[in-house]
Amino acid sequence: SQQGEEDPQALSIQEGENATMNCSYKTSINNLQWYRQNSGRGLVHLILIRSNEREKHSGRLRVTLDTSKKSSSLLITASRAADTASYFCATTNSGGSNYKLTFGKGTLLTVNP
Amino acid sequence: GAVVSQHPSWVICKSGTSVKIECRSLDFQATTMFWYRQFPKQSLMLMATSNEGSKATYEQGVEKDKFLINHASLTLSTLTVTSAHPEDSSFYICSSLAVSSYNEQFFGPGTRLTVL
Repeated sequence: SQQGEEDPQALSIQEGENATMNCSYKTSINNLQWYRQNSGRGLVHLILIRSNEREKHSGRLRVTLDTSKKSSSLLITASRAADTASYFCATTNSGGSNYKLTFGKGTLLTVNP
Repeated sequence: GAVVSQHPSWVICKSGTSVKIECRSLDFQATTMFWYRQFPKQSLMLMATSNEGSKATYEQGVEKDKFLINHASLTLSTLTVTSAHPEDSSFYICSSLAVSSYNEQFFGPGTRLTVL
Protein backbone atom coordinates (compact mmCIF):
# COMPACT_ATOMS: atom_id res chain seq x y z
CA SER A 1 0.00 0.00 0.00
CA GLN A 2 1.13 3.55 -0.65
CA GLN A 3 1.99 5.18 2.59
CA GLY A 4 4.30 7.95 1.50
CA GLU A 5 2.73 11.21 0.50
CA GLU A 6 4.88 13.79 -1.19
CA ASP A 7 4.09 17.43 -1.43
CA PRO A 8 3.93 19.38 -3.51
CA GLN A 9 2.74 17.10 -6.29
CA ALA A 10 4.38 19.43 -8.78
CA LEU A 11 6.96 22.14 -8.37
CA SER A 12 8.25 24.57 -10.99
CA ILE A 13 11.25 26.77 -10.27
CA GLN A 14 13.95 28.74 -12.05
CA GLU A 15 17.47 27.48 -12.49
CA GLY A 16 19.63 28.42 -9.53
CA GLU A 17 16.79 28.36 -7.03
CA ASN A 18 16.45 25.77 -4.29
CA ALA A 19 13.78 23.09 -4.46
CA THR A 20 12.24 21.54 -1.37
CA MET A 21 10.06 18.47 -1.47
CA ASN A 22 8.37 16.86 1.50
CA CYS A 23 7.32 13.33 2.25
CA SER A 24 5.08 12.02 5.00
CA TYR A 25 4.56 8.43 6.02
CA LYS A 26 2.31 6.56 8.38
CA THR A 27 4.12 3.68 10.04
CA SER A 28 7.41 3.26 11.90
CA ILE A 29 10.30 2.89 9.51
CA ASN A 30 13.79 1.42 9.33
CA ASN A 31 14.96 3.88 6.75
CA LEU A 32 13.74 6.33 4.16
CA GLN A 33 15.18 6.73 0.71
CA TRP A 34 14.80 9.29 -2.03
CA TYR A 35 14.79 8.35 -5.70
CA ARG A 36 14.77 10.29 -8.91
CA GLN A 37 13.01 9.23 -12.10
CA ASN A 38 13.36 10.90 -15.44
CA SER A 39 10.29 10.63 -17.64
CA GLY A 40 9.78 7.07 -18.86
CA ARG A 41 12.98 5.82 -17.27
CA GLY A 42 14.03 3.74 -14.30
CA LEU A 43 14.78 4.97 -10.82
CA VAL A 44 18.05 6.38 -9.60
CA HIS A 45 18.86 6.11 -5.92
CA LEU A 46 19.75 9.48 -4.43
CA ILE A 47 20.17 9.11 -0.72
CA LEU A 48 19.21 6.92 2.22
CA ILE A 49 18.61 8.12 5.74
CA ARG A 50 18.21 5.73 8.63
CA SER A 51 15.54 6.12 11.27
CA ASN A 52 18.11 7.16 13.87
CA GLU A 53 19.54 9.89 11.66
CA ARG A 54 18.17 13.41 11.42
CA GLU A 55 20.03 14.91 8.50
CA LYS A 56 22.19 13.78 5.64
CA HIS A 57 24.01 15.53 2.83
CA SER A 58 25.17 14.40 -0.57
CA GLY A 59 26.48 17.03 -2.95
CA ARG A 60 23.65 19.48 -3.61
CA LEU A 61 21.17 17.25 -1.79
CA ARG A 62 20.14 17.60 1.80
CA VAL A 63 17.68 15.24 3.42
CA THR A 64 16.10 15.62 6.82
CA LEU A 65 14.07 13.12 8.77
CA ASP A 66 11.70 13.83 11.62
CA THR A 67 10.42 10.53 12.97
CA SER A 68 8.20 12.26 15.53
CA LYS A 69 6.30 13.89 12.68
CA LYS A 70 6.82 10.96 10.35
CA SER A 71 8.12 13.24 7.67
CA SER A 72 11.18 13.87 5.54
CA SER A 73 12.31 16.63 3.26
CA LEU A 74 14.60 16.68 0.26
CA LEU A 75 16.34 19.94 -0.56
CA ILE A 76 18.11 20.41 -3.87
CA THR A 77 20.26 23.52 -3.82
CA ALA A 78 21.28 25.60 -6.81
CA SER A 79 18.98 23.66 -9.10
CA ARG A 80 19.81 22.97 -12.72
CA ALA A 81 17.61 22.25 -15.71
CA ALA A 82 18.99 18.69 -15.61
CA ASP A 83 17.38 18.22 -12.20
CA THR A 84 13.99 18.17 -13.91
CA ALA A 85 12.48 14.81 -12.96
CA SER A 86 10.05 13.12 -10.61
CA TYR A 87 11.28 12.55 -7.08
CA PHE A 88 9.94 9.78 -4.87
CA CYS A 89 10.45 8.91 -1.26
CA ALA A 90 10.32 5.27 -0.26
CA THR A 91 10.33 3.64 3.15
CA THR A 92 11.14 0.27 4.59
CA ASN A 93 8.94 -0.45 7.56
CA SER A 94 10.18 -1.61 10.92
CA GLY A 95 8.59 -4.84 12.02
CA GLY A 96 8.09 -5.97 8.45
CA SER A 97 10.41 -7.01 5.67
CA ASN A 98 13.56 -4.95 5.77
CA TYR A 99 13.68 -5.09 2.01
CA LYS A 100 10.28 -4.06 0.74
CA LEU A 101 9.97 -0.46 -0.35
CA THR A 102 6.76 1.52 -0.08
CA PHE A 103 6.80 4.46 -2.45
CA GLY A 104 5.17 7.82 -2.12
CA LYS A 105 3.25 9.45 -4.93
CA GLY A 106 6.13 11.63 -6.02
CA THR A 107 6.84 15.25 -6.80
CA LEU A 108 7.32 16.37 -10.38
CA LEU A 109 10.05 18.99 -10.37
CA THR A 110 10.51 21.26 -13.35
CA VAL A 111 13.56 23.50 -13.41
CA ASN A 112 13.26 26.19 -16.01
CA PRO A 113 16.46 27.43 -17.62
CA GLY B 1 25.96 1.54 -8.41
CA ALA B 2 25.13 -1.89 -9.72
CA VAL B 3 23.60 -2.32 -13.15
CA VAL B 4 20.24 -3.93 -13.80
CA SER B 5 18.94 -4.37 -17.31
CA GLN B 6 15.47 -5.08 -18.64
CA HIS B 7 14.43 -6.49 -21.95
CA PRO B 8 12.55 -5.45 -23.94
CA SER B 9 12.48 -1.74 -23.20
CA TRP B 10 9.11 -1.48 -24.85
CA VAL B 11 6.62 -3.90 -26.34
CA ILE B 12 3.30 -3.60 -28.13
CA CYS B 13 1.10 -6.66 -28.30
CA LYS B 14 -2.41 -7.70 -29.17
CA SER B 15 -4.98 -8.42 -26.52
CA GLY B 16 -4.91 -12.05 -25.44
CA THR B 17 -1.24 -12.65 -26.07
CA SER B 18 1.42 -13.26 -23.43
CA VAL B 19 4.46 -11.08 -22.95
CA LYS B 20 7.68 -11.96 -21.18
CA ILE B 21 9.88 -9.31 -19.60
CA GLU B 22 13.41 -10.12 -18.47
CA CYS B 23 15.27 -8.51 -15.61
CA ARG B 24 19.01 -9.12 -15.35
CA SER B 25 21.39 -8.21 -12.59
CA LEU B 26 24.57 -7.63 -14.56
CA ASP B 27 27.33 -7.29 -12.02
CA PHE B 28 26.11 -8.92 -8.84
CA GLN B 29 24.10 -11.92 -7.83
CA ALA B 30 20.67 -11.21 -6.50
CA THR B 31 18.71 -13.82 -4.59
CA THR B 32 15.85 -11.35 -4.38
CA MET B 33 14.37 -9.20 -7.10
CA PHE B 34 11.23 -7.11 -7.11
CA TRP B 35 8.67 -6.30 -9.79
CA TYR B 36 6.82 -3.01 -9.79
CA ARG B 37 4.12 -1.53 -11.95
CA GLN B 38 3.75 2.17 -12.62
CA PHE B 39 0.77 3.76 -14.32
CA PRO B 40 1.18 7.14 -16.02
CA LYS B 41 1.91 9.96 -13.62
CA GLN B 42 1.60 7.64 -10.67
CA SER B 43 4.00 6.04 -8.25
CA LEU B 44 5.48 2.57 -8.24
CA MET B 45 3.36 -0.23 -6.86
CA LEU B 46 5.10 -3.39 -5.73
CA MET B 47 3.63 -6.40 -7.50
CA ALA B 48 5.73 -9.24 -6.21
CA THR B 49 8.99 -10.32 -4.65
CA SER B 50 10.95 -12.77 -6.75
CA ASN B 51 13.08 -15.26 -4.83
CA GLU B 52 15.72 -17.34 -6.55
CA GLY B 53 14.88 -21.00 -6.45
CA SER B 54 11.47 -20.58 -4.83
CA LYS B 55 8.03 -19.23 -5.54
CA ALA B 56 7.46 -15.54 -5.81
CA THR B 57 5.56 -13.68 -3.12
CA TYR B 58 2.73 -11.61 -4.52
CA GLU B 59 1.26 -8.47 -3.05
CA GLN B 60 -2.40 -8.34 -2.19
CA GLY B 61 -4.57 -7.89 -5.24
CA VAL B 62 -1.98 -9.12 -7.73
CA GLU B 63 -3.03 -12.26 -9.58
CA LYS B 64 -0.23 -14.81 -9.52
CA ASP B 65 -1.71 -16.70 -12.47
CA LYS B 66 -1.86 -13.50 -14.46
CA PHE B 67 1.66 -12.36 -13.71
CA LEU B 68 3.99 -15.33 -13.75
CA ILE B 69 7.38 -14.82 -12.19
CA ASN B 70 10.37 -17.09 -12.63
CA HIS B 71 13.66 -16.46 -10.85
CA ALA B 72 15.67 -19.34 -12.23
CA SER B 73 19.14 -17.98 -11.59
CA LEU B 74 20.89 -15.48 -9.38
CA THR B 75 21.01 -12.95 -12.19
CA LEU B 76 17.72 -13.38 -14.01
CA SER B 77 14.08 -12.95 -13.14
CA THR B 78 11.29 -12.96 -15.69
CA LEU B 79 7.78 -11.59 -15.53
CA THR B 80 5.23 -13.01 -17.95
CA VAL B 81 1.99 -11.13 -18.41
CA THR B 82 -0.40 -13.82 -19.54
CA SER B 83 -3.42 -13.15 -21.75
CA ALA B 84 -2.68 -9.47 -21.70
CA HIS B 85 -5.50 -6.95 -21.88
CA PRO B 86 -5.44 -3.20 -22.47
CA GLU B 87 -5.72 -2.55 -18.73
CA ASP B 88 -2.37 -4.31 -18.31
CA SER B 89 -0.72 -1.55 -20.30
CA SER B 90 1.76 0.00 -17.93
CA PHE B 91 5.43 0.61 -17.15
CA TYR B 92 6.96 -2.42 -15.48
CA ILE B 93 10.13 -1.92 -13.45
CA CYS B 94 12.27 -4.51 -11.75
CA SER B 95 14.91 -4.12 -9.08
CA SER B 96 17.63 -6.30 -7.66
CA LEU B 97 18.38 -6.36 -3.98
CA ALA B 98 21.98 -6.02 -2.85
CA VAL B 99 22.01 -7.36 0.66
CA SER B 100 24.18 -5.25 2.91
CA SER B 101 23.75 -2.90 5.82
CA TYR B 102 21.76 -0.67 3.49
CA ASN B 103 19.83 -3.37 1.63
CA GLU B 104 19.82 -1.21 -1.43
CA GLN B 105 17.65 -1.94 -4.45
CA PHE B 106 19.05 -1.24 -7.90
CA PHE B 107 16.40 -0.55 -10.49
CA GLY B 108 16.18 -1.53 -14.11
CA PRO B 109 15.27 1.01 -16.79
CA GLY B 110 11.72 -0.28 -17.10
CA THR B 111 9.62 -1.87 -19.82
CA ARG B 112 6.73 -0.04 -21.43
CA LEU B 113 3.93 -2.50 -22.25
CA THR B 114 1.12 -1.43 -24.53
CA VAL B 115 -1.69 -3.87 -25.15
CA LEU B 116 -3.90 -3.07 -28.11
